[in-house]
Amino acid sequence: NAGVTQTPKFRILKIGQSMTLQCTQDMNHNYMYWYRQDPGMGLKLIYYSVGAGITDKGEVPNGYNVSRSTTEDFPLRLELAAPSQTSVYFCASSPRQGNSPLHFGNGTRLTVT
Amino acid sequence: DQQVKQNSPSLSVQEGRISILNCDYTNSMFDYFLWYKKYPAEGPTFLISISSIKDKNEDGRFTVFLNKSAKHLSLHIVPSQPGDSAVYFCAALPAGNQFYFGTGTSLTVIP
Repeated sequence: NAGVTQTPKFRILKIGQSMTLQCTQDMNHNYMYWYRQDPGMGLKLIYYSVGAGITDKGEVPNGYNVSRSTTEDFPLRLELAAPSQTSVYFCASSPRQGNSPLHFGNGTRLTVT
Repeated sequence: DQQVKQNSPSLSVQEGRISILNCDYTNSMFDYFLWYKKYPAEGPTFLISISSIKDKNEDGRFTVFLNKSAKHLSLHIVPSQPGDSAVYFCAALPAGNQFYFGTGTSLTVIP
């Protein structure tokens, strides 16, 4: 059981480039989330999805887009990379809303220079 | 606006002793609290949780205490082991779907 898988593990982008961070889960969880973690800060929610075809903004959505065409996949798109998007990105999933722990992937470390 | 705060960035404890990690929150609507453990280059993994209707929850060496009047949460690890060395995050959930995370405390257990 792989859980939540994120690719790539590391990426360096130049300012203005675009990329997609991939996230897939094999636990048939309806709820999926994208967080970013900056040094010395807690995880901040970027976008989340409550099921295929349904997405919503979190606390820090600017500069990002998401889609959820299947239950398994929840990619995060950066269209015009900026240095402020240098961070570690975590994808997570949970089986239900409410009192249920999140299952996290191992993260993608992104540097924008 | 940090609604969940971990004021100690780091903590060092001797092996076999108790580790106490603290977390404070500001929102009285939070009703579910969790602790996550994170090793370098890995994602956070769930450790233990507590609902606001309880004031204590135990799982082996790990105990979480909740003081709602003080809006304070703590994690006790007894006895501490070198493998417990990691970053610990507390998280809180209001009656909704967005978790709020603390900034983390790096625990080092010295053999």
